[in-house]
Amino acid sequence: GAVVSQHPSWVICKSGTSVKIECRSLDFQATTMFWYRQFPKQSLMLMATSNEGSKATYEQGVEKDKFLINHASLTLSTLTVTSAHPEDSSFYICSARRTRLAEQYFGPGTRLTVT
Amino acid sequence: GIQVEQSPPDLILQEGANSTLRCNFSDSVNNLQWFHQNPWGQLINLFYIPSGTKQNGRLSATTVATERYSLLYISSSQTTDSGVYFCAVDTNAGKSTFGDGTTLTVKP
Repeated sequence: GAVVSQHPSWVICKSGTSVKIECRSLDFQATTMFWYRQFPKQSLMLMATSNEGSKATYEQGVEKDKFLINHASLTLSTLTVTSAHPEDSSFYICSARRTRLAEQYFGPGTRLTVT
Repeated sequence: GIQVEQSPPDLILQEGANSTLRCNFSDSVNNLQWFHQNPWGQLINLFYIPSGTKQNGRLSATTVATERYSLLYISSSQTTDSGVYFCAVDTNAGKSTFGDGTTLTVKP
């Protein structure tokens, strides 16, 4: 199979601080990683597409200066929520693919609570 | 953008019953995946099925790409099948669009 990890699993931070979430593909190289956001009882909303060695592509309505994405290697992408506010509280999930159209594998998610 | 509709939104079954979940999409897609999201939020891959039929134990899926729909069959349901089932379709851009999901509750 293909395993994707995320760290941390949950985080509580104070308003105004920044939080970094890591997404790793453990047993395969991922040319593309995706970051999603999910609110309670809702579906997954794509935030951005992260390609190794290039800038992330953000979906309409997602602030790129607030949600910083870095895909530094073929096994690691990071999402940094800068100057977090309570409305940023959500479940953040990453996924990874070997190639652009290959099967997608998801991490276990990170639950962010901003107080 | 592409629209993905899943039905029914909610489904309650007695253990042992069979069910069919449907996913309709509004445009041509490169691939389609079915996922099960467990109570802890983890999405578990069920099927990668751009077309045709696949089976895995009590689960099977069929995608008819020309008619823009996919079906997920669950036979002899168990309480552990409870959760949310999502289908996700990919366009040429390589990005996935998710349906709103079907929430399945299997009662003992």
